[in-house]
Amino acid sequence: GDSVTQMEGPVTLSEEAFLTINCTYTATGYPSLFWYVQYPGEGLQLLLKATKADDKGSNKGFEATYRKETTSFHLEKGSVQVSDSAVYFCALSVSSKLTFGKGITLSVRP
Amino acid sequence: DAMVIQNPRYQVTQFGKPVTLSCSQTLNHNVMYWYQQKSSQAPKLLFHYYDKDFNNEADTPDNFQSRRPNTSFCFLDIRSPGLGDAAMYLCATNRQASSYNEQFFGPGTRLTVL
Repeated sequence: GDSVTQMEGPVTLSEEAFLTINCTYTATGYPSLFWYVQYPGEGLQLLLKATKADDKGSNKGFEATYRKETTSFHLEKGSVQVSDSAVYFCALSVSSKLTFGKGITLSVRP
Repeated sequence: DAMVIQNPRYQVTQFGKPVTLSCSQTLNHNVMYWYQQKSSQAPKLLFHYYDKDFNNEADTPDNFQSRRPNTSFCFLDIRSPGLGDAAMYLCATNRQASSYNEQFFGPGTRLTVL
């Protein structure tokens, strides 16, 4: 079946540090890939998405590239801020249903 | 602003006492989903509606039911809540049943079972 694997967390960084959160997937079809972010006590918000191989999604300084050859969709940001502290979920969709990774908690120190 | 609204944000119920959670959307989306999210876990899909067609996940307990009286509203009914049903319940919508479209999530209802 379809699955998403995220690197183990939590991750703690200092402000302005570089961020990489790894995500790999297994899917039977041609999935769309997503990163969602969840701030404390809130629902999920779409951060970025990519719908086909080699697409790059970007938003708020975050980027991720759909790599079909490595079945990966790693999230990167060049300079994190305290306000980026949240839980980040990688997800895929083959039909209209999302399959989520376990999520990773990012804490950014001032 | 178009959005997904969930009421209440916090719900407390007693063990075995039926409870209903509410979701409404102003996006006019065809698909509505209910997820259960337990602490420090990923959201788990319970079921979804495509228009009025109900789609249950195979591992969703019978204790969980849903109603969608119209496009805008969807309800989650828990017939006899157990302590293990304490969780955040998330409602989401999708314009079409397509893998390309993102889902739009509400803020969630946190359910406590005493």
